Amino acid sequence: DQQVKQNSPSLSVQEGRISILNCDYTNSMFDYFLWYKKYPAEGPTFLISISSIKDKNEDGRFTVFLNKSAKHLSLHIVPSQPGDSAVYFCAAKHAGNNRKLIWGLGTSLAVNP
Amino acid sequence: NAGVTQTPKFQVLKTGQSMTLQCAQDMNHNSMYWYRQDPGMGLRLIYYSASEGTTDKGEVPNGYNVSRLNKREFSLRLESAAPSQTSVYFCASSGTVGNTIYFGEGSWLTVV
Repeated sequence: DQQVKQNSPSLSVQEGRISILNCDYTNSMFDYFLWYKKYPAEGPTFLISISSIKDKNEDGRFTVFLNKSAKHLSLHIVPSQPGDSAVYFCAAKHAGNNRKLIWGLGTSLAVNP
Repeated sequence: NAGVTQTPKFQVLKTGQSMTLQCAQDMNHNSMYWYRQDPGMGLRLIYYSASEGTTDKGEVPNGYNVSRLNKREFSLRLESAAPSQTSVYFCASSGTVGNTIYFGEGSWLTVV
């Protein structure tokens, strides 16, 4: 039972264009969401996060949008660069249980020059 | 600026052998974790330690044991390795459980 779903296993975009990575969740008790980026042969690295009390958080080229009513969040990368090519994981934290993060299966982004 | 360091990076084991994956963090974090990543399965939590002296099971603890040796170190032991334990293992830490976590570079384990 996947509580955090990244329905697109892969995404390909042109350099300079916008990349939009999507994440859906089923548990309304999630109160904090994070995006991680992972390059091959490396550990995941934290990218950006958003609290459930906000609907947008921006950090440079990266913006995360949260639509609580739709239980949906998205990561926008503008403009996309070849160095952004990686696997992106969405993760969620449960408000009543700080024990662990719930992870999506990841989306592999390829940014083509 | 080491962050989370885990060893070994690569290991090949025969079925039934035992081994320990070592992990250390230098960020003075209270919480530490062991994850495994398998194709199509995402990141799955094996065990975690909310603070020094405590350990708890995650989603997939069977076949593993852990030790929180001190605040810095958290080891993962496979007592009798099985081919199903072939995976990439990541150690991670966070200031407290539920906060942003920081990962090590991974340990590639193959059990033949």
